[in-house]
Parts: sequence; structure tokens; C-alpha cells
Amino acid sequence: LAKTTQPISMDSYEGQEVNITCSHNNIATNDYITWYQQFPSQGPRFIIQGYKTKVTNEVASLFIPADRKSSTLSLPRVSLSDTAVYYCLVGVGGGTSYGKLTFGQGTILTVHP
Amino acid sequence: KAGVTQTPRYLIKTRGQQVTLSCSPISGHRSVSWYQQTPGQGLQFLFEYFSETQRNKGNFPGRFSGRQFSNSRSEMNVSTLELGDSALYLCASSSGLSNYGYTFGSGTRLTVV
Repeated sequence: LAKTTQPISMDSYEGQEVNITCSHNNIATNDYITWYQQFPSQGPRFIIQGYKTKVTNEVASLFIPADRKSSTLSLPRVSLSDTAVYYCLVGVGGGTSYGKLTFGQGTILTVHP
Repeated sequence: KAGVTQTPRYLIKTRGQQVTLSCSPISGHRSVSWYQQTPGQGLQFLFEYFSETQRNKGNFPGRFSGRQFSNSRSEMNVSTLELGDSALYLCASSSGLSNYGYTFGSGTRLTVV
């Protein structure tokens, strides 16, 4: 499985845009990139998933360059409720990895008033 | 539709005892995965069940076991509890047909004293 590297922590202020970058140099051809959000004492929550270029949904955007060796999660106009841990996952679409999501250390995002 | 339900939400057990945790997946989902989350080790994969069969297993001792019933509900059992088993235990459900589309429950907080 591709190893991911993210910043350990980030700080921001309400109303700002936050970009969290994840490095995955050995991503495989059929790997997708998925981001999860986790609040304390809750399970991770799916945010967004992409394969290449740009994906946008109602809560975030995901930017993936052509070489796919990194990806950037963009959270527009964050609020205090966006304070959480954000995980970048890179994984295959099936096969022997069924059920096994490999979580790294994640990025602790703290949003200040 | 209803989400993933884990019971109980909190549990306190004594060293040496055993414990059983329950997970009810989203209706129609046939795969249930279990994870252990601790401050030191992060989120670690325990095992995955699909249609009552264990398809994948992480690197945990045999004291950790699970099973899945015909209605896709799953239970996880930990025997001879150790202090280090104190953790948040999470389950995730999916269709089981790919390695994406996981929905996590809120977890069971197990404290071993």
C-alpha cells in the first residue's frame, strides 16, 4: 500500500481557506485518494475521494496533480466545527486489501476564533 | 437511512475478563471491518467480515476474534483483557464489493482497569 505523509498539525482562523497536502510518492496506477475527517471519540467520516485532476463536493475540494504523487484537500471558509483530524488514504479498489483501510497519523487541524 | 450502530458506547472491564462488542451495519451492506484506535498506535485494522466469512485480518493476537451473522451484524470479542486493550473500537460497513465507500460507527470506548 502507498505510504502517505501529511503535516502533523495545522492552525487556521475562522473564515480562512485551509489546504492540507498529502504526499504519496509510490501511489499505484489503480489507487484512489480518499480523505476522512475524525472528531474526538467518533469514527472517521468520509469527506472526498478522487483519482486525478480536481474533485469538488459540498464540503471540500481535492486537487491531484498529473503525476498523482501528492494531493491537496481544500476546505473553504473553515469554522470552529472543522477542528478535527484529517486523514489522507491511498488504496486499491479491491483484492487482498478488502476492509483494510490504512490510516496514517493524520493532520490535526485547529481552527481559532 | 440508518447509519452504523455500535453498542455499547462505553464499557469498563477488569483485567482478565472478556468483552463482546456489537456492530450493526448499514442496511444492505455485507462487509463489516473492525479497527482499534489508541493514542499511541492510531487506527489499526483488526479484521473484516463479508457474508459471515473473515476475508482479511490484521496483526493482532488470537485474543481478538470476531464473527458475522446472516443479517450482517458483527460482533467482536476480546478475551483475557489487558490494560493495553483500552481503546476506541470502531467498526465500518461497506458493500464489500470494492475497497471504498466505508461508513464508520461512533465506536465503543473500552476501558480496562
